[in-house]
Amino acid sequence: AQSVTQLDSHVSVSEGTPVLLRCNYSSSYSPSLFWYVQHPNKGLQLLLKYTSAATLVKGINGFEAEFKKSETSFHLTKPSAHMSDAAEYFCVVSVDGSSNTGKLIFGQGTTLQVKP
Amino acid sequence: DVKVTQSSRYLVKRTGEKVFLECVQDMDHENMFWYRQDPGLGLRLIYFSYDVKMKEKGDIPEGYSVSREKKERFSLILESASTNQTSMYLCASSSPGRSTGELFFGEGSRLTVL
Repeated sequence: AQSVTQLDSHVSVSEGTPVLLRCNYSSSYSPSLFWYVQHPNKGLQLLLKYTSAATLVKGINGFEAEFKKSETSFHLTKPSAHMSDAAEYFCVVSVDGSSNTGKLIFGQGTTLQVKP
Repeated sequence: DVKVTQSSRYLVKRTGEKVFLECVQDMDHENMFWYRQDPGLGLRLIYFSYDVKMKEKGDIPEGYSVSREKKERFSLILESASTNQTSMYLCASSSPGRSTGELFFGEGSRLTVL
């Protein structure tokens, strides 16, 4: 069975410092993995996705994530946090390897706070 | 741009009332989903649909039903609302032939049941 665990429910950084949001996954086969972001009172927006191509995936707004099969991790990083990055972030794994069904499993979410 | 529109952003209902949450997408997507979002629990799938008049149960279907009479519209129905259904409800759509799993979300409907 597929699952995803976000290791931190809340992360606080200062503006201009690096961001690291941690995610571990469990999958019976090569997974498709995603990071979504949700700003307050908004729907979710796709940040980036990994679908068995390059292991380092670049997304929008300067975010990137690295797929590490040996560690079953897909951590999200950004070199320098901006105030507008304050939001909730979800790590997501597809239910089946192809991801064509659209069925996804969401992590519990990590709230990113950015301090001035 | 893909647009998923949820008709009501905020609703307040009383226990036992029948509640309809409507969702419309404008990108001719085959797949549509209803999720429930609660703090600390992430998003949990209630129901999904791959085609018109077709539906499948997700992880937490109890107390809910859905309707998909037209491709662009997917409705979530609470037959008899209860206080434990107070939550944020998110609709999403996707197209398996044109994406690798990306879901497009509406802005959510926050339901309070008193």
